[in-house]
Amino acid sequence: GNSVTQMEGPVTLSEEAFLTINCTYTATGYPSLFWYVQYPGEGLQLLLKATKADDKGSNKGFEATYRKETTSFHLEKGSVQVSDSAVYFCALSDRDNNNDMRFGAGTRLTVKP
Amino acid sequence: GAGVSQSPRYKVAKRGQDVALRCDPISGHVSLFWYQQALGQGPEFLTYFQNEAQLDKSGLPSDRFFAERPEGSVSTLKIQRTQQEDSAVYLCASSLGTSGSMKDTQYFGPGTRLTVL
Repeated sequence: GNSVTQMEGPVTLSEEAFLTINCTYTATGYPSLFWYVQYPGEGLQLLLKATKADDKGSNKGFEATYRKETTSFHLEKGSVQVSDSAVYFCALSDRDNNNDMRFGAGTRLTVKP
Repeated sequence: GAGVSQSPRYKVAKRGQDVALRCDPISGHVSLFWYQQALGQGPEFLTYFQNEAQLDKSGLPSDRFFAERPEGSVSTLKIQRTQQEDSAVYLCASSLGTSGSMKDTQYFGPGTRLTVL
């Protein structure tokens, strides 16, 4: 079945450091890929998405590229801020199965000043 | 604009009690999803509605779990005879359409944290 595996946390970085959170997926069809973010005390928010191979999703300085050859969708940001501290979830949605959205376990990021 | 809202935000139940969790999706959103999120884990799919029709309930962990969306808007997730293993955050999400990108993009509510003692 479809699944998502993401880098285990927690991740602690200093402000302005480079961030990578790895995410790989297994899917039988052609999924859409997502990164969701959950700030402390808030619900899940869509951060970015990509719907086909080689697409790049980007938002708020974060980027992720849909790599079909490596079945990956790694999240990157060039310079993190304290306000980026949150839990990040990688997810996939299988268009051939209209309700199958699978999430990774989440990676907690803490950015220190 | 208003997002997805859920109530209550926190619920404490004694083992064996019944609970009802409410979800108000974004107005006009056709698709509605329920997820269960255990501590330290990602959300796990429970069930899916398209308007008032429950098209998939394969993720419901037992027959103690029941969900409805009678008028195609507000949804209620009911858990009967709660057990300690039901303790989790229950998330509701809605999306505008039923296919393609309009279905893919789900908007989540803040969740209801259920604690069963």
